[in-house]
Order: sequence, then structure tokens, then C-alpha cells
Amino acid sequence: GAVVSQHPSWVICKSGTSVKIECRSLDFQATTMFWYRQFPKQSLMLMATSNEGSKATYEQGVEKDKFLINHASLTLSTLTVTSAHPEDSSFYICSARGQGGVNTEAFFGQGTRLTVV
Amino acid sequence: QKEVEQNSGPLSVPEGAIASLNCTYSDRGSQSFFWYRQYSGKSPELIMSIYSNGDKEDGRFTAQLNKASQYVSLLIRDSQPSDSATYLCAVGLSGYSTLTFGKGTMLLVSP
Repeated sequence: GAVVSQHPSWVICKSGTSVKIECRSLDFQATTMFWYRQFPKQSLMLMATSNEGSKATYEQGVEKDKFLINHASLTLSTLTVTSAHPEDSSFYICSARGQGGVNTEAFFGQGTRLTVV
Repeated sequence: QKEVEQNSGPLSVPEGAIASLNCTYSDRGSQSFFWYRQYSGKSPELIMSIYSNGDKEDGRFTAQLNKASQYVSLLIRDSQPSDSATYLCAVGLSGYSTLTFGKGTMLLVSP
């Protein structure tokens, strides 16, 4: 399958600081990228959907001013967690889906484990 | 509202048996169906995709789709302990880029 690279794989930051997570599609052009959050032993929670060159669409309850998403190119999307707090500690996972309509598979990055201390 | 339902499990099977994982979806307009495997602490990995009614086989995995019954399943033959993971069913709707995920079924394969 296609490769989606997410970086960093883990990060520890101090409360009040910002953290940027990168998601790159390495061998295909990602028309759409998705950002998920997953707490231990819980299911994936979609945070936002972004299309290249346009503003991200956030799911209900997700603060767009806190979780800044930029999808500047067809191969790169970033998620910035601003003014992080301990409750933001979670596993953040990106997913990318290429061009090709409904019959297009979505591939996941390796995930980023964020710990805010 | 688009919904994808899976039994949370755990589904326990002995090594070598067939594991059967099921998924139902609510939107009749759904057109693409995917199975992902997620190991604990890791991100989901795509196993199978299926778009038309019937069976699709890939190695030990067989996906089955029945659009009339709004039902998709994944069979794992000759189950191995390494297959122990959570299996996520995802459904796509024409015109929408977002996939709707089920909450996943945990599979435990005992040696």
C-alpha cells in the first residue's frame, strides 16, 4: 500500500507550549488528509478533514483555534496543538486519501504520541 | 446520520481456526468498504478494500459484502496469535471524502 509518514512519533512538551505534527504522503498525492485522536482503549475520533489549499473542516467539539491544521500541498499536512495542556495528551494519527473518487483507499501515518507535562 | 456498527468483542478463537468479523452500516448509498487492523499502541493498517457485492480474497483474508443487507464481513483463515488486534470496519460514501469508522472488534487468537 501507499506510504504515509508522520513525524514525530512521540513528543513530550511543557504545558502552555505548542507542538507541530507533520503528515506526509510519500508516494501519492493526498487530495484529502484526516486527523484523528485516540485515547487509550478507545476508538478513533475524527478531529478534522483537510483538502489541499482550503481550510480544514473541524468536527463538532474540536476547537479550531487550538488545533491548527494546514494542508499546504498535496503531500503535506500539519497539525499544531497550541497552548497544550495535559488533557491534550493523546495519540494523534493522520490519514491520507488520494485522488480517484469513492474507490480510493485511505492510509494512516504511524501516529504521534503526545504527552503534555 | 451515517453509522457503522461492530461488535466490540473480544472475539476469542483458537490458533488455526477461522475468525469471522462482522460489520453493518446504515447508509444505503455507501459504496466503498475497508477493513483495517490496529495493534495496541499502533496506528491502523489497511488490510482489505471491497467495492462490489460478493467475496474478495487476499491470502488468509476474505472480505464479503452484501449491499442488500448492508453487511460486510472479514474472514481470517488459519488464525495466528499475531492476528490478535482490533479490526476496524470503515465505510465510504460517494461524494464524501470522509470514511466512517466502526468502533472496532478486538480479536484474540490463543495458541
